[in-house]
Parts: sequence; structure tokens; C-alpha cells
Amino acid sequence: QLVLTQSPSASASLGASVKLTCTLSSGHSSYAIAWHQQQPEKGPRYLMNLNSDGSHSKGDGIPDRFSGSSSGAERYLTISSLQSEDEADYYCQTWGTGIRVFGGGTKLTVL
Amino acid sequence: EVQLVETGGGLIQPGGSLRLSCAASGFTVSSNHMTWVRQAPGKGLEWVSVIYSGGSIYYADSVKGRFTISRDNSKNMLYLQMNSLRAEDTAVYYCARDNSVAGIDHWGQGTLVTVST
Repeated sequence: QLVLTQSPSASASLGASVKLTCTLSSGHSSYAIAWHQQQPEKGPRYLMNLNSDGSHSKGDGIPDRFSGSSSGAERYLTISSLQSEDEADYYCQTWGTGIRVFGGGTKLTVL
Repeated sequence: EVQLVETGGGLIQPGGSLRLSCAASGFTVSSNHMTWVRQAPGKGLEWVSVIYSGGSIYYADSVKGRFTISRDNSKNMLYLQMNSLRAEDTAVYYCARDNSVAGIDHWGQGTLVTVST
């Protein structure tokens, strides 16, 4: 079964960096994912797609502070030089034939 | 510029029906996969349904047999017909462009559906 696992919460200080993790279920380590950001009281926003080899392609207007990387079944979103507006929920998402799956989301707090 | 605008949400009684619409601009709906995603109050994102560019259709188990996704190529519109609505269908519903290479790459702003007496 295709499942994505995310830690419920993370925190980091203003100006620091943070690395969020999304883990693919067993047998699905080759799958690509997408990262989405949802700021408080707003709809989701596409950040990037991320392949198993770490290559990624960002959406329009996404700052260079956002980057992605991969290792095995883990997919990472790194945000550097944290700003207050980065405080948001972050969701990973993947897909297969006839199915789309979301992780439970990580709530990022900027201290 | 890609834009997606959902309409049709509102307050509906349990057992009732509602049709959501999604107006697309800046791209052709029929040339892309299109997805509906919902978010219950205070909860995470939940995939609802996808229609592929080739016309294949799939649903989440939670809505199978009650919801119907469709598109109107002439109007560049996406729809979600929701029947036999339940309280647990209460959510903001988003339409999204779905790229089989990149995943969901554009979102609408969402429309709220509240199922309650």
C-alpha cells in the first residue's frame, strides 16, 4: 500500500534552516513526490516535484531558499534562511495509476 | 497564467446533492489530468478523485459510488457531482491540475461544503 509518512511538527529559528522529511512506504522507494505549502487560512501552493535521484523542479516564483533532496525512501524539503511567512503546513504527495496520496503534513513553527 | 476557480459550495442537508464546478484558464483541461482534493476542518489534505487526460476516472474509497467527476471540454471546466452527502463530507474542496510527471502543480482557492441539519 502506497503511504507517505511525515512528522506532525517541526520548529526552527528565524534565519536558520530546517529539513522536513517525507518517507515512502516499503516497495515504493523509487516514487517521485511533490511538496506543497499551506499557509494559515490559505489554500495549498505547489512548491516542487522531487525525484528519487534528488532532481527537482520548482513551481513558479518559489524562492531559491526552498530545495529538495532524496535518499532511499526518504524525500526531503530544506528551507534555508527561514522567514516568518514560512510558518505553514507542508504536505508531500505522490501518485500511482488511479491513486493519489498525501502525507499527514508537517506543521512548521518559526521561532 | 494558470488559474483554477471553484464554485458551487454551500450548506446542504445530509443526504442531499451538490455540484462543484472548477473553471480553468491558461491551459486545456482535457489535455491534463485533473484532481479534486478536500480538507476537512482542522485536518490534512485528502485526495477525492482524478480524471485522466485520456478519460479514465478513479475515486477514493470514501466517495466511490456517491461522487462523480466529469469535465466539459468545450467550456474548459471540471465538475464534481456529490450525492448522498454525509456530515463527514464537510470540507473545503480544491480542484487541481495533476501532472503525472510532477504531481499536482496548480491549485484552486477552494470552495467550502458544509453538510449539516
